[in-house]
Amino acid sequence: EPEVTQTPSHQVTQMGQEVILRCVPISNHLYFYWYRQILGQKVEFLVSFYNNEISEKSEIFDDQFSVERPDGSNFTLKIRSTKLEDSAMYFCASSQANQPQHFGDGTRLSIL
Amino acid sequence: GQQLNQSPQSMFIQEGEDVSMNCTSSSIFNTWLWYKQDPGEGPVLLIALYKAGELTSNGRLTAQFGITRKDSFLNISASIPSDVGIYFCAGQLGGYGNKLVFGTGTILRVKS
Repeated sequence: EPEVTQTPSHQVTQMGQEVILRCVPISNHLYFYWYRQILGQKVEFLVSFYNNEISEKSEIFDDQFSVERPDGSNFTLKIRSTKLEDSAMYFCASSQANQPQHFGDGTRLSIL
Repeated sequence: GQQLNQSPQSMFIQEGEDVSMNCTSSSIFNTWLWYKQDPGEGPVLLIALYKAGELTSNGRLTAQFGITRKDSFLNISASIPSDVGIYFCAGQLGGYGNKLVFGTGTILRVKS
């Protein structure tokens, strides 16, 4: 069964550095999403993306964050000037029109 | 913002027992979904519900979309050790590519 793949599985970064989290959505999906889950908490929506632009973003997704679909298969989340509180699991998801979202296994981001 | 509260927060049951958990919202949703999350992995879709009052099964799992569109429940019959994990409900308003609002989660532990 096709799946969403995310790399790396674990990223350790010094505070203030920039990180790029990568995702390969399911190939025939058109809608892409990033979510965040702080340890022990619920999953929170960050941003949705369709037709090469952001569809919706949450209040968490401020100027520190950006997303890009640099080619036909990858979908990336960039976090600039990382802070300690950015430490979390970051999940990518994708979907077809009006179909459930399917999630990757996440990238664990640890900011030191 | 939209809040989804799940109960119970956690449960510790005997293998073979039936399990029931529910999710309530302060606002209505057009779609309800149930996901299971195992440690270190992303949420995996269990059941999707699209109409108020709908009752849907997937093997030993049964879920219902509440008539008020503000709640949903998930039942697991004859639990087995691999049912262990965190179960999240998620609500979605209509429209393509809309975000999911996740519940607070129910931790299920099974005694064998």
